[in-house]
Amino acid sequence: GENVEQHPSTLSVQEGDSAVIKCTYSDSASNYFPWYKQELGKRPQLIIDIRSNVGEKKDQRIAVTLNKTAKHFSLHITETQPEDSAVYFCAARDLLTGRRALTFGSGTRLQVQP
Amino acid sequence: DAEITQSPRHKITETGRQVTLACHQTWNHNNMFWYRQDLGHGLRLIHYSYGVQDTNKGEVSDGYSVSRSNTEDLPLTLESAASSQTSVYFCASRPKLTGEAFFGQGTRLTVV
Repeated sequence: GENVEQHPSTLSVQEGDSAVIKCTYSDSASNYFPWYKQELGKRPQLIIDIRSNVGEKKDQRIAVTLNKTAKHFSLHITETQPEDSAVYFCAARDLLTGRRALTFGSGTRLQVQP
Repeated sequence: DAEITQSPRHKITETGRQVTLACHQTWNHNNMFWYRQDLGHGLRLIHYSYGVQDTNKGEVSDGYSVSRSNTEDLPLTLESAASSQTSVYFCASRPKLTGEAFFGQGTRLTVV
């Protein structure tokens, strides 16, 4: 089955700096890679996703890049703000065949210091 | 508005008891999932369902069961609760063809 590794487990940055979280996946059939943000005591919520037919996707201060050859994808947050502090999860799955459930990474706790 | 809701939000139970966690969604989504969240492990899949009368085991299914008698509900049952099942449980649902999964608010279960 799919295995998703996520690094780092914790990340502390100063407000205004950039943050990068990296994930690797094992199943070359995976073609959908979402990122979820979970604030303390809340449910995970989708913030951005990318499909394997594109290499990069951007939404305001958030961007995701995908390298299919190396089987890794990354979340980039620019100009971080205190409200970006949360746990971020990457995930992967095959949209077309096989398992239809997301496999998640172990999460990254991001702290943005004011 | 359509939603996905879990109940109860918090539960304390004793070892050996049977416990059922409820999950109800009003989006008419075919696919529903149960995950557990533990520090250092992220979200791990327990069981999932593609539709009515369909259930499948995930990576950590031992000690858990689900049933799908209608589209809206996927209750999760712990047959005989163990301390190792102390966790936060999330239910999620997704339309048949799209990628995004929507999560419930979570249930914090403590087994003493």
